[in-house]
Amino acid sequence: NAGVMQNPRHLVRRRGQEARLRCSPMKGHSHVYWYRQLPEEGLKFMVYLQKENIIDESGMPKERFSAEFPKEGPSILRIQQVVRGDSAAYFCASSWNDRGLTTNEKLFFGSGTQLSVL
Amino acid sequence: KQEVTQIPAALSVPEGENLVLNCSFTDSAIYNLQWFRQDPGKGLTSLLLIQSSQREQTSGRLNASLDKSSGRSTLYIAASQPGDSATYLCAVIPIYNQGGKLIFGQGTELSVKP
Repeated sequence: NAGVMQNPRHLVRRRGQEARLRCSPMKGHSHVYWYRQLPEEGLKFMVYLQKENIIDESGMPKERFSAEFPKEGPSILRIQQVVRGDSAAYFCASSWNDRGLTTNEKLFFGSGTQLSVL
Repeated sequence: KQEVTQIPAALSVPEGENLVLNCSFTDSAIYNLQWFRQDPGKGLTSLLLIQSSQREQTSGRLNASLDKSSGRSTLYIAASQPGDSATYLCAVIPIYNQGGKLIFGQGTELSVKP
C-alpha cells in the first residue's frame, strides 16, 4: 500500500506562471489536506477536501490559489500567476473516514513539493 | 485563537544522552496532540498521538506526555542516537476544528553528535 504520493518533488516557475501540484492520497483515503511551509515558518493549514467537495478553505489565500479533489484522479493545488512569496514546501496529507469526521485519526503526509519561483 | 510554541528551537546533544523537547499550547480545548518527525527534503512521520483523555503515549525510546490543564506536552527521547537527528514538530487539533486541521508549532531541530 503506497503512501501519500506528491508530484513533482521540485517545481520551478517564473513569476506569472501557473503551478499545479498533485497529491494522490493513500489507497482508501477520501480526505485530503494541504499544508504550506514557508521558509523559517511552521506548517500552516491551507485547505481540507473530500471527494468533489471543499470542506474548509479557511487557510487558502483569497486570490490565485485553488484546490480540487475530483471523483477520479489526484487532488490538485493550483497557484496562478505565481510570485516569489509563493516559494515554499507544499505538503499533502490524507486520512480515511467514511462515517463522518473523526479527529482522532493520524494523518499520513506526503514528501512534499518544493516550489521555487524565480 | 490556538497557538503552539516549541522550545528550544534547536538542540545539539552528544550521542547517548536523554533529552526532552517541549511544546506548549494556549487553548486546552483540543481533541488530540501529535508529535511528528521531519527529515530534510522529506515529509512528516507521525511519531506519537495522544488523545485528549490520555496522559502519555510510548513507542520504543520515545515517550510523550500531555497536560491539558497547563497546556503542555513533552517528548522524551531516551538514549539518543545520531539517527534521531531531525526536526520534531508538535501539533494539536482544537475541538472547534474539522477533520485533520492541525495547528503546528515551529519545531525543534535536533542534532545528535556521534
